[in-house]
Amino acid sequence: AQTVTQSQPEMSVQEAETVTLSCTYDTSESDYYLFWYKQPPSRQMILVIRQEAYKQQNATENRFSVNFQKAAKSFSLKISDSQLGDAAMYFCAYRSAFVGGGADGLTFGKGTHLIIQP
Amino acid sequence: GAVVSQHPSWVICKSGTSVKIECRSLDFQATTMFWYRQFPKQSLMLMATSNEGSKATYEQGVEKDKFLINHASLTLSTLTVTSAHPEDSSFYICSANPGQEGTQYFGPGTRLLVL
Repeated sequence: AQTVTQSQPEMSVQEAETVTLSCTYDTSESDYYLFWYKQPPSRQMILVIRQEAYKQQNATENRFSVNFQKAAKSFSLKISDSQLGDAAMYFCAYRSAFVGGGADGLTFGKGTHLIIQP
Repeated sequence: GAVVSQHPSWVICKSGTSVKIECRSLDFQATTMFWYRQFPKQSLMLMATSNEGSKATYEQGVEKDKFLINHASLTLSTLTVTSAHPEDSSFYICSANPGQEGTQYFGPGTRLLVL
């Protein structure tokens, strides 16, 4: 079974600064997807960024980028120019690329609470 | 695109009653939908995979007779919590992914409180 570990229960950053959230995972599969989801106080899960394991290039979405290290099984999220609206719980998630057989659901880490200080 | 809705957003019920939660994909068809549960200050845990036209697949430890799932169409899955008890109080979230691209989009969730 796959596991996802987020070792930072809480992180704090000054507005406009850069912060990096850590995520490691364990899997024996070679093809999979990794995601970062944001959950604000409304509790709506919002996709921040995704990475396909077969792609060597790190994904970027505006101020959000990842550092994907497949050999080290590490998938960190960097948020540049932090804004007050970035304050939320951030969950790292894993999904097998094998479709069917009950392997489609996401495995989540425990989350990191990101605080933005004005 | 890729919008998922849930209804109701909030439900309070008495112990012993059953509650049905609907999950709809509004702008795409989904042969598979997923149900998660989230307890306060905890992460999301996959409960079951809902398959259109066939039986749901439940995760280990999830009682299939308590959490009945029906996926009657390509845009609707329902989760029924039968004979609900206070320990079933939680936040229930569904998700679906359009096509085979891998990304799951989530509904806004349903808060269930069993008195």
